[in-house]
Amino acid sequence: DTAVSQTPKYLVTQMGNDKSIKCEQNLGHDTMYWYKQDSKKFLKIMFSYNNKELIINETVPNRFSPKSPDKAHLNLHINSLELGDSAVYFCASSQDRGHSPLHFGNGTRLTVT
Amino acid sequence: GEDVEQSLFLSVREGDSSVINCTYTDSSSTYLYWYKQEPGAGLQLLTYIFSNMDMKQDQRLTVLLNKKDKHLSLRIADTQTGDSAIYFCAESRPGSARQLTFGSGTQLTVLP
Repeated sequence: DTAVSQTPKYLVTQMGNDKSIKCEQNLGHDTMYWYKQDSKKFLKIMFSYNNKELIINETVPNRFSPKSPDKAHLNLHINSLELGDSAVYFCASSQDRGHSPLHFGNGTRLTVT
Repeated sequence: GEDVEQSLFLSVREGDSSVINCTYTDSSSTYLYWYKQEPGAGLQLLTYIFSNMDMKQDQRLTVLLNKKDKHLSLRIADTQTGDSAIYFCAESRPGSARQLTFGSGTQLTVLP
């Protein structure tokens, strides 16, 4: 009965590869997010979707492409991985795009070698 | 986070109270949140306060908001070893689709 689940939990890959991270929420929320947490634990928003529509697209390299097939899913595809992409990526969801609290997944630790 | 600041580390003895502080810069922030992150896990919402409130209490947790000084604090009474984690404060601004801006997190270590 996990609320926000993301897969895989760990991802180790070589520079130049393309990889995807999947996220699903079963809370019936309208809004989903991708956050990146760096080695210093700093959290920065990358993307936000509301009912499958992109509403936030921060300054993120265009190698990162989110896709939302329906409002319960938000996947993150990364092309041509670089060493600096190593981080923990968190998916989150909220009831709406206002001030409702975020519910986070457990994160995907990406290591690029 | 550039607009939300926290001290990085705090150590307390088991049974003592912990106070984690946060300052923010945007006076238009409407909601302020405290999240807890345990090792290897995502962020868990602990509590939140609306900007027209001064205080909110929830069991062992007390949130104090000084809107004039843009200062938020989280007090944990009778701190336990299970409270060891990173605590993030976050602000939400009106009219922003950004949703939340997070502080850098405070690593709380509870010593036996």
